[in-house]
Amino acid sequence: GAGVSQSPSNKVTEKGKDVELRCDPISGHTALYWYRQSLGQGLEFLIYFQGNSAPDKSGLPSDRFSAERTGGSVSTLTIQRTQQEDSAVYLCASSPRQGRSYEQYFGPGTRLTVT
Amino acid sequence: AQSVTQLGSHVSVSEGALVLLRCNYSSSVPPYLFWYVQYPNQGLQLLLKYTTGATLVKGINGFEAEFKKSETSFHLTKPSAHMSDAAEYFCAVSDPANTGFQKLVFGTGTRLLVSP
Repeated sequence: GAGVSQSPSNKVTEKGKDVELRCDPISGHTALYWYRQSLGQGLEFLIYFQGNSAPDKSGLPSDRFSAERTGGSVSTLTIQRTQQEDSAVYLCASSPRQGRSYEQYFGPGTRLTVT
Repeated sequence: AQSVTQLGSHVSVSEGALVLLRCNYSSSVPPYLFWYVQYPNQGLQLLLKYTTGATLVKGINGFEAEFKKSETSFHLTKPSAHMSDAAEYFCAVSDPANTGFQKLVFGTGTRLLVSP
């Protein structure tokens, strides 16, 4: 079956511009996670969605970052007024149900470069 | 707070040799443990996981790992390396006490290089 998909695969933007990154989780998966992979910080958690519940935003690095998930499916991560330190690979993962022990399935990522 | 330490940012082996990638964790309670593999320009793929039960877990592609509570370790091994194993490997933990979601805390990764 289809895995997690993300678009675009690559995005180059100028400092100060806003960007939107999209994630399509595996059909039927209720949990969705965003992570960021950067040279300086490694892999770090950003935000978590579970069904229609309020998201856990504890990993977002600043208020320039926001995310939404429409209809419990597709998610969009938005970065406003991008900075060079936002350059990273943004990974999305989905999980078949909430809670313990269920592995996360990752998409291929979006590589963001801020010039 | 949980943390993960992966010793060695790069590990080089010859094809056919034993692969050993080290992972140690710090956690107030035994965590759930995971190994992921990342091939160039791809996302993360789960190799294996430990949650409860048998401490020796087997995963895909011939890899296995053993949870040793006394050593707070979860080292990844494979008896015989193949060229296709060349990739970056990440150890990760999550907190079993977290109800609702399983935030993964990752190590810094180990790049495995396999020479003919």
